[in-house]
Amino acid sequence: GAVVSQHPSWVICKSGTSVKIECRSLDFQATTMFWYRQFPKQSLMLMATSNEGSKATYEQGVEKDKFLINHASLTLSTLTVTSAHPEDSSFYICSARARGQTGELFFGEGSRLTVL
Amino acid sequence: DAKTTQPTSMDCAEGRAANLPCNHSTISGNEYVYWYRQIHSQGPQYIIHGLKNNETNEMASLIITEDRKSSTLILPHATLRDTAVYYCIVSRLWQGGKLIFGQGTELSVKP
Repeated sequence: GAVVSQHPSWVICKSGTSVKIECRSLDFQATTMFWYRQFPKQSLMLMATSNEGSKATYEQGVEKDKFLINHASLTLSTLTVTSAHPEDSSFYICSARARGQTGELFFGEGSRLTVL
Repeated sequence: DAKTTQPTSMDCAEGRAANLPCNHSTISGNEYVYWYRQIHSQGPQYIIHGLKNNETNEMASLIITEDRKSSTLILPHATLRDTAVYYCIVSRLWQGGKLIFGQGTELSVKP
């Protein structure tokens, strides 16, 4: 199947700093990418949907000024956690839908953020 | 998107078939049934999806009832590597919908 790669796999940062997580579709063009967050022992929670070249659509309760999403190309979307705090520590997962694809989403391996 | 109901956990003996049920009684006509699984600390992995006909691929079979209000994912010969949380999701993904994850079923395959 298609490959979606996230970087970094894990990151530790100090409170108040910003962290950027990249999501790349390696062998297909992704017109739509989704960002999820997952806390320990919980299910995935959809944060936002990003379409190439347009602003992201955020789910209710997700602060768009805190979680900046950019989808500048058909193969790259980034999530920036601004002024991170310990409560932002989580597993962040992206997924992508291929251009013209009507079936499944492809998920990245996830990025674990720990804010000290 | 319609919601789904799955058992919280299930056990299965290694080598036996694992049958994971899912109830989606409020599914609408153009919503597909998707199954994903998540092994601990990894991103979800696609398994299979279907609209109304039964589907089979190299990983699993999907049986959808005639009224489409429920489905069953079948792993024909479960292995220890199949231990994971299995998510059943209904969505109009093909129409620009989203995948909204519920709590899923934690499947434990035991030797």
